[in-house]
Amino acid sequence: AQSVAQPEDQVNVAEGNPLTVKCTYSVSGNPYLFWYVQYPNRGLQVLLKYITGDNLVKGSYGFEAEFNKSQTSFHLKKPSALVSDSALYFCAVRTYGNNRLAFGKGNQVVVIP
Amino acid sequence: ETGVTQTPRHLVMGMTNKKSLKCEQHLGHNAMYWYKQSAKKPLELMFVYSLEERVENNSVPSRFSPECPNSSHLFLHLHTLQPEDSALYLCASSQDRGQGGQETQYFGPGTRLLVL
Repeated sequence: AQSVAQPEDQVNVAEGNPLTVKCTYSVSGNPYLFWYVQYPNRGLQVLLKYITGDNLVKGSYGFEAEFNKSQTSFHLKKPSALVSDSALYFCAVRTYGNNRLAFGKGNQVVVIP
Repeated sequence: ETGVTQTPRHLVMGMTNKKSLKCEQHLGHNAMYWYKQSAKKPLELMFVYSLEERVENNSVPSRFSPECPNSSHLFLHLHTLQPEDSALYLCASSQDRGQGGQETQYFGPGTRLLVL
């Protein structure tokens, strides 16, 4: 079975401060990891994904995530948050041969001006 | 953003009604998905179609019935729903290249369903 945990319901951060959204996963085998963002009244958009290679993955809008195999984590980070980053963020995982993508419950990010 | 479209965007229905949700993808993909999104819960995968054949059904109640007439279109037929079925229903598509799960899924904006 594969699963994702996003421990916080909401992350509040002041504009200009670093933003971190936490994600840990559980899979059998090597994971393929994804971060999606959902703006109000919009569908999910992929921000970045880890398949293989460099553990630090860079994505859209200045976001990056670090794959840590020993801690089974894939935390999303941005050095300086913008008000426009306020949205719902989902971490997801799948494994080789499995077209089922397991999502976390999502984190609401609120960037305070 | 317009790669996957869904209609209607909002739907209110009674428990005895029959309605259908429509999804269309313009990305040339060969796999399509239905998800249910409820507040503060993980997205629930309902159905997967790959190459127009249903490959997974996660024990979804029979009051939800999918249809995939071709690789670009996906429907979700609804009948005798319950109030707890109120949620955002998301459609997604991907290109299954046999790479075992690397493919990114692209989502539509969703249909907000309210069952009274």
